[in-house]
Amino acid sequence: GQQLNQSPQSMFIQEGEDVSMNCTSSSIFNTWLWYKQDPGEGPVLLIALYKAGELTSNGRLTAQFGITRKDSFLNISASIPSDVGIYFCAGQPNSGNTPLVFGKGTRLSVIA
Amino acid sequence: GAGVSQSPSNKVTEKGKDVELRCDPISGHTALYWYRQSLGQGLEFLIYFQGNSAPDKSGLPSDRFSAERTGGSVSTLTIQRTQQEDSAVYLCASSVQGAIYGYTFGSGTRLTVV
Repeated sequence: GQQLNQSPQSMFIQEGEDVSMNCTSSSIFNTWLWYKQDPGEGPVLLIALYKAGELTSNGRLTAQFGITRKDSFLNISASIPSDVGIYFCAGQPNSGNTPLVFGKGTRLSVIA
Repeated sequence: GAGVSQSPSNKVTEKGKDVELRCDPISGHTALYWYRQSLGQGLEFLIYFQGNSAPDKSGLPSDRFSAERTGGSVSTLTIQRTQQEDSAVYLCASSVQGAIYGYTFGSGTRLTVV
């Protein structure tokens, strides 16, 4: 089936640093979404992208939908301790109600 | 309710026993999804319900897994004759209509098969 390759798998950064993670696919996705999962909780939607080339910000978060529709990145600026968690990219391969495909996640650790 | 509710939050069961996991979606959400999250892995799609349509069962890993959704609301995921490899967090999500607006996830049920 379709897969999303997410990198890096894990990151250790100093508080205040910027973070970048990305997701790639061999096939086209029509929607890209980024989720964050805190320990013991379900993933929470951070940003949704619907158009190729779209760049969207949500506070310190910025995400882009790649022009080829096969990739997306998420940037976090000026990281803080509460940014710790697992970040997942997700894509919808077709229009309509096709279930989301998820990457394996990027585990972010922030050192104060 | 205000969010997606899953129960139990934790379940320890003996190998070979059957288990039932429950999901209560957000009121008015017509779409309901089950995913499985194994240690260090992403979210693996299991099954999807949309309104009164036949469910998309294409992600169920074996015939030991089944799910139903009664009255277009509460859903139950059943795993028969549990195996140790079934140990994972089972996440339920619901959405207004399809995936395009993103899902709202529950906190999951952590299943441990011993």
